[in-house]
Amino acid sequence: QLLESGGGLVQPGGSLRLSCAASGFTFSSYAMSWVRQAPGKGLEWVSGITGSGVSTYYADSVKGRFSISRDNSKNTLYLQMKSLRAEDTAVYYCAKSDVAMVTGAFDMWGQGTMVTVSS
Amino acid sequence: DIQLTQSPSFLSASVGDRVTITCRASQDVTNYLAWYQQKPGKAPKLLIYAASTLQSGVPSRFSGSGSGTEGTLTISSLQPEDFATYYCQQLTFGPGTKVDV
Repeated sequence: QLLESGGGLVQPGGSLRLSCAASGFTFSSYAMSWVRQAPGKGLEWVSGITGSGVSTYYADSVKGRFSISRDNSKNTLYLQMKSLRAEDTAVYYCAKSDVAMVTGAFDMWGQGTMVTVSS
Repeated sequence: DIQLTQSPSFLSASVGDRVTITCRASQDVTNYLAWYQQKPGKAPKLLIYAASTLQSGVPSRFSGSGSGTEGTLTISSLQPEDFATYYCQQLTFGPGTKVDV
């Protein structure tokens, strides 16, 4: 199971940290990603991290503003978001890869947490 | 970065129809192409991975095929619960195909 938290309303230029608590599987064995969906739009992969946490990857749209990390001792994934823009408004899902690589298929998803960037 | 396109973007169908959705990629995606189903207000659900492997628990009316830079998702006989939006993915996602009545 994946359970996201930390979403909410934030002003443009602000920061927010999302968390995703994992259970029911060996967390450190699998890559994890964040995927977002703006209202009425399609899915956008945002960022991914390998099981060990050594390698991280970002979409160009968030590179330099978002930072993904994980704490394998707490079975928790994080997304630190800075310099938020209106176009970052979306439901943010955490997703588990079916393998250790970020390029695996996402076989488990959280319920999503809404992030709204507005003044 | 891999770019994915899907066709059609919208598909009008009826229960019992055979439905095929195509995904085209800017690079070879054979080993990593996945397909998801998403219903309104819900998280996506994995249907197919590695282009043609059916995810556990997914009905056998769903199938995937393809190689190189193209993949297809086929629903052999559309059921009422299959009306949804479908996405292909290889890290990044295609734009989606809405299957509606």
